[in-house]
Amino acid sequence: GAGVSQSPSNKVTEKGKDVELRCDPISGHTALYWYRQSLGQGLEFLIYFQGNSAPDKSGLPSDRFSAERTGGSVSTLTIQRTQQEDSAVYLCASSFTWTPTDTQYFGPGTRLTVL
Amino acid sequence: QKEVEQNSGPLSVPEGAIASLNCTYSDRGSQSFFWYRQYSGKSPELIMSIYSNGDKEDGRFTAQLNKASQYVSLLIRDSQPSDSATYLCAVKRAAGNKLTFGGGTRVLVKP
Repeated sequence: GAGVSQSPSNKVTEKGKDVELRCDPISGHTALYWYRQSLGQGLEFLIYFQGNSAPDKSGLPSDRFSAERTGGSVSTLTIQRTQQEDSAVYLCASSFTWTPTDTQYFGPGTRLTVL
Repeated sequence: QKEVEQNSGPLSVPEGAIASLNCTYSDRGSQSFFWYRQYSGKSPELIMSIYSNGDKEDGRFTAQLNKASQYVSLLIRDSQPSDSATYLCAVKRAAGNKLTFGGGTRVLVKP
């Protein structure tokens, strides 16, 4: 079946602009995660959505970052007033449920470059 | 101290040899352990998961977990050039569902 999809694959923006990144999880997966990967910081957790529960936002680096998940499926990560340090690959993952043993499957990522 | 630590490498191994990768973690509440492989420019893909002490084998891969010593390892037998990639160790607590990743070990398998 189809895997996790993300769009756009690449995004170049100017400092101070807002950007939206989209994630389509695997059909039937109830948990959705956002991570980002940068050279200096490795792969770090941002936020996750677990069914209809309130999301765990503990990894969001600042209040410029927000995410929503509509209808329990598609998710959008929004970065307001982008800064150069926001440049990274943003990875979305999904899992069937949210038990400790559930496998998270990653999408191809969105490479964000802030000029 | 980072929560999950890996030697960054590169770990260079000849084709056909065994590659041994190690990972240590600091949180004793960690319950689940995962090894992901990431090719350059690609996203991570799961190779192995392990949840209890001991060894778990899957094809050429063996994961080993020792919760008392807080380490998890990955062995790649009969290494192939196609195994050249960065291997990420990730851990998950029982409470909460985020993965905490190590910095990754780069493996180079030379023909």
